[in-house]
Amino acid sequence: DAGVIQSPRHEVTEMGQEVTLRCKPISGHDYLFWYRQTMMRGLELLIYFNNNVPIDDSGMPEDRFSAKMPNASFSTLKIQPSEPRDSAVYFCASTRGGTGWATEAFFGQGTRLTVV
Amino acid sequence: SQKIEQNSEALNIQEGKTATLTCNYTNYSPAYLQWYRQDPGRGPVFLLLIRENEKEKRKERLKVTFDTTLKQSLFHITASQPADSATYLCALGNTGGFKTIFGAGTRLFVKA
Repeated sequence: DAGVIQSPRHEVTEMGQEVTLRCKPISGHDYLFWYRQTMMRGLELLIYFNNNVPIDDSGMPEDRFSAKMPNASFSTLKIQPSEPRDSAVYFCASTRGGTGWATEAFFGQGTRLTVV
Repeated sequence: SQKIEQNSEALNIQEGKTATLTCNYTNYSPAYLQWYRQDPGRGPVFLLLIRENEKEKRKERLKVTFDTTLKQSLFHITASQPADSATYLCALGNTGGFKTIFGAGTRLFVKA
């Protein structure tokens, strides 16, 4: 397996524009997570899905952020409108549940977002 | 609120020595704790998981301890090598849930 695949790797956009980040989880993994990483706040969980259903979105900072998972192999994180303070590295991760115990999460390479 | 604390200052050690990183937490009763390694420009990579009923876990040169009374985990790398230089993150989670929260990480530099 190629691992978790995120695109794009880098995104530079102007304030007010819509930004869409994409993620393809590892095949067979039924949990998918979106994280945001900044120097100030570290790695923050934004939202996670189980079997394509959002389970906990309490980490989504504002209504400007939305995430979808239309099928088991694809998820998007959208920011509309984007603001400079959204600049960060966004990671997608996936894992296989099953036992109820969290197993290791596999992270993608991340998308570095810069909003100017 | 739940809080995870890792040394914000970088840890510098000499090759061959044992590196010890600390993870403290408050207002939380985790069922498990994980350690990840992160290299610049890359996503975190899982290293070890230890459950609340386990005191110690080992994997090759890595050792993790978990003290739920002190609310602390120690992460040791023995016979450290320059290739061990990276940021190490600890993460906590609960049974039946997959909401893992991460510490900010500690940067480790191993000098040859």
